[in-house]
Amino acid sequence: QVQLVESGGGVVQPGTSLRLSCAASGFTFSSHGMHWVRQAPGKGLEWVAFVSLDGSDKDYADSVKGRFTISRDNSKNMLYMQMNSLRADDTAVYYCVRGVAAVSGDWFDPWGQGTLVTVSS
Amino acid sequence: EIVMTQSPDTLSVSPGERATLSCRASQSVSSNLGSYSNLAWYQQKPGQAPRLLIYGASTRATGIPARFSGSGSGTEFTLTISSLQSEDFAVYYCQQYKNWPPYTFGQGTKLEIK
Repeated sequence: QVQLVESGGGVVQPGTSLRLSCAASGFTFSSHGMHWVRQAPGKGLEWVAFVSLDGSDKDYADSVKGRFTISRDNSKNMLYMQMNSLRADDTAVYYCVRGVAAVSGDWFDPWGQGTLVTVSS
Repeated sequence: EIVMTQSPDTLSVSPGERATLSCRASQSVSSNLGSYSNLAWYQQKPGQAPRLLIYGASTRATGIPARFSGSGSGTEFTLTISSLQSEDFAVYYCQQYKNWPPYTFGQGTKLEIK
């Protein structure tokens, strides 16, 4: 079955870096755009970043642009998020999400179980 | 950026009754011909990841029971749960995928037991 498993979350201090990983299985990874979506504690969902099938195109939410970098390795079926200059408001559960392409954009299915990133001094 | 607004924030309904959740977009998320709407619905239970329920405003995802239905076009959308089961009490989010970046979600509607 389709599975997405995130790792790499933890507690870090403001201004530091963290790298999230997502292992994909059960589908042809290189045939799907991939996304990161986050959810702050007790809050709603916020789309964070997108990477295209071959990794050549990337888009980011304004809130993370210039600090976060999404990437993928299709040979390993892996998705990554390099997060630099972390701030307290980056504290959230980060979900790895497969994009399912419609004409205009993607809906999201499935979602990984999430990995918690806590930014605190 | 397309802003998605859901109403109500919290909905209290008894098991077995119908629930109607609304989602409004700040601009149309339907195709120019109006035949397809770039709108999805997700369900999230406490401590779990969101799960896709509906895409294209009205198409149920694989494995989603028929009591879930979606409707609407343009800027106004509805998720209806025809006869609430205990497992349906959760938070529901709508999401547009017409104009991006960014992809945007509504703030969520919490469906609670009355």
